[in-house]
Amino acid sequence: AQSVAQPEDQVNVAEGNPLTVKCTYSVSGNPYLFWYVQYPNRGLQFLLKYITGDNLVKGSYGFEAEFNKSQTSFHLKKPSALVSDSALYFCAVRVGNTPLVFGKGTRLSVIA
Amino acid sequence: NAGVTQTPKFQVLKTGQSMTLQCAQDMNHEYMSWYRQDPGMGLRLIHYSVGAGITDQGEVPNGYNVSRSTTEDFPLRLLSAAPSQTSVYFCASRVSGANVLTFGAGSRLTVL
Repeated sequence: AQSVAQPEDQVNVAEGNPLTVKCTYSVSGNPYLFWYVQYPNRGLQFLLKYITGDNLVKGSYGFEAEFNKSQTSFHLKKPSALVSDSALYFCAVRVGNTPLVFGKGTRLSVIA
Repeated sequence: NAGVTQTPKFQVLKTGQSMTLQCAQDMNHEYMSWYRQDPGMGLRLIHYSVGAGITDQGEVPNGYNVSRSTTEDFPLRLLSAAPSQTSVYFCASRVSGANVLTFGAGSRLTVL
């Protein structure tokens, strides 16, 4: 069965500092990996995805993530955090045409 | 192009009442799904459909029914609401074979 782990419930970072939100996964087969963001009282918005090819993927709002097959990780990163990045971030995985499985989410707080 | 539309946005029910959460999409997406979001639990899949006339169970299907008579609509029915079904419900859709789910804005349900 597919699963995703987001080991940190909360990440705090100062504005202007780099941020990392961690994600590890477990699947049988080749994973499709995703990051979504949720702002208060809103639905989920797609940030970026890894399907195949280059291990470093770039997405919306300056975010990027690196697929690491040996460590089964897909950490989300941004070089310089903004207060407006404060939100709930979800990592998700699927294999082939199976449904998307989400992690429990990490709340990012960027402090001015 | 409205995307994924969910109604109602808010609903309060008494234990034992029934109701239907509506989901409609105008993007001609074959795949549709329902998730529930609970604090600390992330998003859990309730039911999904890969096309009109086809539905399948997700991780937490008990207490919920679905049908898919048209490509556009995927209603979620609660036949006898229980307090454990208090949650925020999200409908999401995508083109079959493609990879990015588009989410609705959510429906917040409270069962007293």
